[in-house]
Amino acid sequence: EAGVAQSPRYKIIEKRQSVAFWCNPISGHATLYWYQQILGQGPKLLIQFQNNGVVDDSQLPKDRFSAERLKGVDSTLKIQPAKLEDSAVYLCASSLTGEGYGYTFGSGTRLTVV
Amino acid sequence: DQQVKQNSPSLSVQEGRISILNCDYTNSMFDYFLWYKKYPAEGPTFLISISSIKDKNEDGRFTVFLNKSAKHLSLHIVPSQPGDSAVYFCAASRYGGSQGNLIFGKGTKLSVKP
Repeated sequence: EAGVAQSPRYKIIEKRQSVAFWCNPISGHATLYWYQQILGQGPKLLIQFQNNGVVDDSQLPKDRFSAERLKGVDSTLKIQPAKLEDSAVYLCASSLTGEGYGYTFGSGTRLTVV
Repeated sequence: DQQVKQNSPSLSVQEGRISILNCDYTNSMFDYFLWYKKYPAEGPTFLISISSIKDKNEDGRFTVFLNKSAKHLSLHIVPSQPGDSAVYFCAASRYGGSQGNLIFGKGTKLSVKP
């Protein structure tokens, strides 16, 4: 079974620029999550999708972050404009349904904002 | 407010000995607990979990113990192997783990020395 694919692996941008991350979940996984992991911290949920609908986006900074999951498969997470404190690893995960123990994480995108 | 706490940033153990990683939580509504393991440049991978109706769950060399009255859980690895060297995250969930919003601790870096 192919894993969760994320791209790019690394990205360096200047503050106030915009950036987008892409995630392709495991085939058939209905639930998709985006997590933010700041250095020295545990992952923090940004948004959860069930198919192409949003289940939880309560911790997504909506003034600058947006996410979509078209056709219930791939997802993109965008930051516009980026701030220095957005430097983190952005992890995508998917699961068959919503169970936390069924997560499969991708390798993440490391974002550095300078 | 950190709901899941891993107070030891690092732990060093000799190969063959026991590794004990600790985790405390504050929210009494959590009823499902998980441990994830993370190697550098990879996403976290699910290791073992425990429901709040149990006090112990074992899977091979890995055992998780839950003390609900103390709001404390621990992961025991016996015997420890060099390949176990990684960052271990404790995570907690409500609704029996059926909802995907996991709350993670900051992680403990385990080093197993040959």
